[in-house]
Amino acid sequence: SQQGEEDPQALSIQEGENATMNCSYKTSINNLQWYRQNSGRGLVHLILIRSNEREKHSGRLRVTLDTSKKSSSLLITASRAADTASYFCATVPYNTDKLIFGTGTRLQVFP
Amino acid sequence: DAGVIQSPRHEVTEMGQEVTLRCKPISGHDYLFWYRQTMMRGLELLIYFNNNVPIDDSGMPEDRFSAKMPNASFSTLKIQPSEPRDSAVYFCASSLWTGASNTGELFFGEGSRLTVL
Repeated sequence: SQQGEEDPQALSIQEGENATMNCSYKTSINNLQWYRQNSGRGLVHLILIRSNEREKHSGRLRVTLDTSKKSSSLLITASRAADTASYFCATVPYNTDKLIFGTGTRLQVFP
Repeated sequence: DAGVIQSPRHEVTEMGQEVTLRCKPISGHDYLFWYRQTMMRGLELLIYFNNNVPIDDSGMPEDRFSAKMPNASFSTLKIQPSEPRDSAVYFCASSLWTGASNTGELFFGEGSRLTVL
């Protein structure tokens, strides 16, 4: 069963705009991660945020985590056409060592 | 390192046939995961191994599915007999344990796209 639900399911923006994706999950977690998947390819890890962290940055990516609301957001700033992909949040439920994926957001960035 | 290697990349078979998907994890990784991706159900965790031992197979849909990891360098996912509803992309991923808070940073293969006619 899926742990996370993502919102929106699909997002279309112009190059240069920011893209924000949200993820909600159901149980306590060890950490939350975001992955990217280009069409027809495997998933690629983007960033990991631990349960005791609230915000993390990596290049143009900014991730926030609110464990009280069981939610996270991924912000991609100054988007590029090459950012077009599906983005998934994934959680490691507390006291487990397995990764459960959300439903994903399809991002389309128009040049 | 070459990354996680899966084979075959594409498989088309007829209902009732046996299908074997293969995975070579990244050397030194101690976790191996099998996921299935479909439009309807998204990414589902089927089974995962730690140090070649199956830890959780609760995601395996039916007895028709089986997975093995005979050594640290190789794993198989077998479907026998296959059915059209098994059509999906099957991903293998591996990771290295570096503590509970870091658990799960997965490296994925490119997937095996299975079509059962």
